[in-house]
Amino acid sequence: GENVEQHPSTLSVQEGDSAVIKCTYSDSASNYFPWYKQELGKRPQLIIDIRSNVGEKKDQRIAVTLNKTAKHFSLHITETQPEDSAVYFCAAGTNNAGNMLTFGGGTRLMVKP
Amino acid sequence: DVKVTQSSRYLVKRTGEKVFLECVQDMDHENMFWYRQDPGLGLRLIYFSYDVKMKEKGDIPEGYSVSREKKERFSLILESASTNQTSMYLCASSPLGQGGNEQYFGPGTRLTVT
Repeated sequence: GENVEQHPSTLSVQEGDSAVIKCTYSDSASNYFPWYKQELGKRPQLIIDIRSNVGEKKDQRIAVTLNKTAKHFSLHITETQPEDSAVYFCAAGTNNAGNMLTFGGGTRLMVKP
Repeated sequence: DVKVTQSSRYLVKRTGEKVFLECVQDMDHENMFWYRQDPGLGLRLIYFSYDVKMKEKGDIPEGYSVSREKKERFSLILESASTNQTSMYLCASSPLGQGGNEQYFGPGTRLTVT
């Protein structure tokens, strides 16, 4: 089955700096790569996703890049703000029945004011 | 606006008890999922269902079973709760579609087994 590795497990940045979280996946059939943000005590929510026919996608201060050859994808957050502090999860999925996702272990991002 | 609800936010059960966790979604989604969330391990899939009465094992199905008798409701059952099943349980749903779709999560149930 699919295996998703996520690094780092914790990341501390100063407000205004950039943050980068990296994930690798093992199944070359995976073609959908979402990122979820989970604030303390709340449910995970999708913040951005990318499909395998696209190399990069951007939405305001967040961007995701995908390297299918190397089987890795990354989340980039620019001009970080304290409200970006949360746990971020990457995931990989395919066209299988149920559209199942395999999640990485999560990254706790702390943005210091 | 998609809403996924779970029957309890917090639950305390004794070892050996049968435990039912219920999830309801109101957006007519075909797919429903049960995950457990433990620090450093991310979200691990227990079971999922892509249609009424259909169920598929995820990565960690041992000690759990599920039931989906109606499209909107997906139940997770711990037949005989054990202390190593103390965890946060998250339900999610998503529409059917090619190429992957956003999963919408419930608020979670924090289960403690003593």
